[in-house]
Amino acid sequence: KQEVTQIPAALSVPEGENLVLNCSFTDSAIYNLQWFRQDPGKGLTSLLLIQSSQREQTSGRLNASLDKSSGRSTLYIAASQPGDSATYLCAARTGANNLFFGTGTRLTVIP
Amino acid sequence: EPEVTQTPSHQVTQMGQEVILRCVPISNHLYFYWYRQILGQKVEFLVSFYNNEISEKSEIFDDQFSVERPDGSNFTLKIRSTKLEDSAMYFCASNELHRGSDSPLHFGNGTRLTVT
Repeated sequence: KQEVTQIPAALSVPEGENLVLNCSFTDSAIYNLQWFRQDPGKGLTSLLLIQSSQREQTSGRLNASLDKSSGRSTLYIAASQPGDSATYLCAARTGANNLFFGTGTRLTVIP
Repeated sequence: EPEVTQTPSHQVTQMGQEVILRCVPISNHLYFYWYRQILGQKVEFLVSFYNNEISEKSEIFDDQFSVERPDGSNFTLKIRSTKLEDSAMYFCASNELHRGSDSPLHFGNGTRLTVT
């Protein structure tokens, strides 16, 4: 069964810093990997989706990379802002069309 | 931007009662899902639905659970006899068909179910 792990569990950075969130998965036979943002009491907002054939995806200040062979993905956030404070979740799709989620990294950006 | 909408946002029920959680997926999406998140734990897959039938379900989705698309817009999750351990945030999601299973899932804001 796919297991997805995220480290660190929580991260606090001053505004303006660049940061990296880590995601690892045990089964490298994934179809894609998706990064989400979750605000308290809210749903999941899709940030980036990386297909299994891709190495990275970029959207604005966000860049996600994927290394299937090592079972790792990273989410890079450039020039962090207080509005980036949220929990970030990665999720891997294996087999049929369902996702295996990590426990998330709770990010706090201090003004 | 189109959204997945869920109602109610919070539901409190007594153990043993039936609950129905409602979702309106994005209109041109044809794959629908339910996930749940128990407080402090991972988001877990429950069931996927396509072409008016379940395409996959997890071990969590036992006989107490059912899903239905009663009309062209709603997608519902029914729990027949709720247990305390069913207390969780339930998320509905949908994605497109024409881009196949590699299109991003779009999630609703969830329904917080509290079983007392």
